[in-house]
Formats: sequence, C-alpha cells, structure tokens
Amino acid sequence: DQQVKQNSPSLSVQEGRISILNCDYTNSMFDYFLWYKKYPAEGPTFLISISSIKDKNEDGRFTVFLNKSAKHLSLHIVPSQPGDSAVYFCAASQFQGAQKLVFGQGTRLTINP
Amino acid sequence: GAVVSQHPSRVICKSGTSVKIECRSLDFQATTMFWYRQFPKKSLMLMATSNEGSKATYEQGVEKDKFLINHASLTLSTLTVTSAHPEDSSFYICSASRTSGGHYFGPGTRLTVT
Repeated sequence: DQQVKQNSPSLSVQEGRISILNCDYTNSMFDYFLWYKKYPAEGPTFLISISSIKDKNEDGRFTVFLNKSAKHLSLHIVPSQPGDSAVYFCAASQFQGAQKLVFGQGTRLTINP
Repeated sequence: GAVVSQHPSRVICKSGTSVKIECRSLDFQATTMFWYRQFPKKSLMLMATSNEGSKATYEQGVEKDKFLINHASLTLSTLTVTSAHPEDSSFYICSASRTSGGHYFGPGTRLTVT
C-alpha cells in the first residue's frame, strides 16, 4: 500500500523554466510534508517542508503547495538550474517532530541547458 | 547545521558474515534515529525506528533478528546485518531527529554481499 505516490518517475525541464514536481497521499492522518533532493549514493538533503495548517511555503527558488482536500502537494522550482538535476522525494508524517517519514517513489528531474 | 555521518560508506562482505554500520549525529543529540533501505531506483523504505536507550521498533516485514539495531547513546546508532546474504545488498541510510523535529540524513552505506 503506497501511501505517498509520485506518479512521474522522471521530468525534463529547460534551464530557466519552472519545474513542477507532484505528490499525492492517501493517509488523511498525515499533516506534515517534506521534500528532499537526492543524488546517487548520497543521503537525501532536506529542501522544504509544509504543515497541514498552511497551503503554501516558500524558500528562495522553492515553493511547496499543499491541497489538503485533494491530498496533493507540489514542489515548484523557479528558475530551474542545471544543479537542480537530481531525484526528488516527497515524504509525509503524522506529526512534525521525531516521527517516521513515509516516502514517495521519487521523481528524477533533469534540467537541460 | 545538523550533520549526520555514517561509517563505512561502502562495504563488501562475504555471504554468511555480519556487518555493522554506524550512524552518528555529530553536532546534536538525536533522541530518535531511523534506518532506511533503498533498492536501485526505488524509494526509501523505513526499516526501523530507534529511540535512545530502548528497543527499536521494526516495520512490518523487517526481520529484527537479522537487522540488529542498537541506539546506545544520543549520538550513535548501529545497524548490524547478521549472516548477510546477497539479497541484503542495498544502500542503507540513517536519519537522526531531535525531539523538536527535523530529519537529518546520513550519506548512506553501500553494502555488497558476495
């Protein structure tokens, strides 16, 4: 039972344009969501998070949107840069804090020059 | 920032032997540490949650006698893969959390069992 789903295994975007990565979840108990970036043979690096009391959180080029009614979140990266090429994972937990995370399958983002 | 290290970064062992992987939080006290496994081109699968000084909580389908987890201090957790077999070959990643939250991941350990 995949509680967190990233249905696009890959995404290719032109440098300078907007990258939009999507994530859906099924467990209505989740109320804290995170996005991580991962390079091969490395651990995930935290990018941005959002709690369920918000519908948007912005940090520099990264913005996360949460639609609770649709159980959907997205990560926007603008403008996209070649260094953004990596695998992006969304993750969810029931509470903010030292709670276990459930990860999506990941989306490989490629930024083309 | 919060730094988490793992050692070794890469290990090759023979089938039937045991391998220990260390996860350390270098500049903070981690009340909780998590161990994940990642298969090639797959998601991170949570194996177990460990709290300092208590027994680890294993996810369904993870053999606790095969994957021994010890969290003896607030800065160190270890994962021991006992009697390793080729199917245990994988990328193992730990993360450490403070009580206040945040998940800080280690760089991962590539285990290859021959």
